Amino acid sequence: GAVVSQHPSRVICKSGTSVKIECRSLDFQATTMFWYRQFPKQSLMLMATSNEGSKATYEQGVEKDKFLINHASLTLSTLTVTSAHPEDSSFYICSARWGQSYTFGSGTRLTVV
Amino acid sequence: QQQVKQSPQSLIVQKGGISIINCAYENTAFDYFPWYQQFPGKGPALLIAIRPDVSEKKEGRFTISFNKSAKQFSLHIMDSQPGDSATYFCAASITGGGNKLTFGTGTQLKVEL
Repeated sequence: GAVVSQHPSRVICKSGTSVKIECRSLDFQATTMFWYRQFPKQSLMLMATSNEGSKATYEQGVEKDKFLINHASLTLSTLTVTSAHPEDSSFYICSARWGQSYTFGSGTRLTVV
Repeated sequence: QQQVKQSPQSLIVQKGGISIINCAYENTAFDYFPWYQQFPGKGPALLIAIRPDVSEKKEGRFTISFNKSAKQFSLHIMDSQPGDSATYFCAASITGGGNKLTFGTGTQLKVEL
């Protein structure tokens, strides 16, 4: 089956620094990947849709300059949280469409101190 | 119109019992309805999915019932086990409609011995 690998699984960074999260489709090509944010005991909130070779489409209310998305190849999308602040601490999850279904990465727990 | 409503928010079931989670949607353009299982600190994993041309789909202990006229679908977990304790999300999407998944709010299931 389709596997999406997400790294790192946990990261702690200082306020003001940037953090990059990688999402790779291991055994299939993903022209479109999705990035979600999830707060404790809440549902997944779609942040943006990442399209290979073009600009990402951000959901309303998501800061494009803070959450930089790059989808440079058919197997890799990255999310960079720039100038991170404690309120950016959250669980970030990527996903890719495979056939008729959607496969999710294992998530990244970001803690900004 | 993009909303998917899920209930209950939490559910406690005895081992061997049936767990039932319900979802309702408004947008009749939705044509793909998956259910995801999520354990703490992990990404969601696809359990089972259905399309509106069938009213029921069963995979092992998991069954989706779909009522197109009522715009409702539900997940039934038969012979619930402690290992089923997790958060369950229903979702819906439109084929070709940007392929975005719209998630329900989630149900925390606890299966007690």
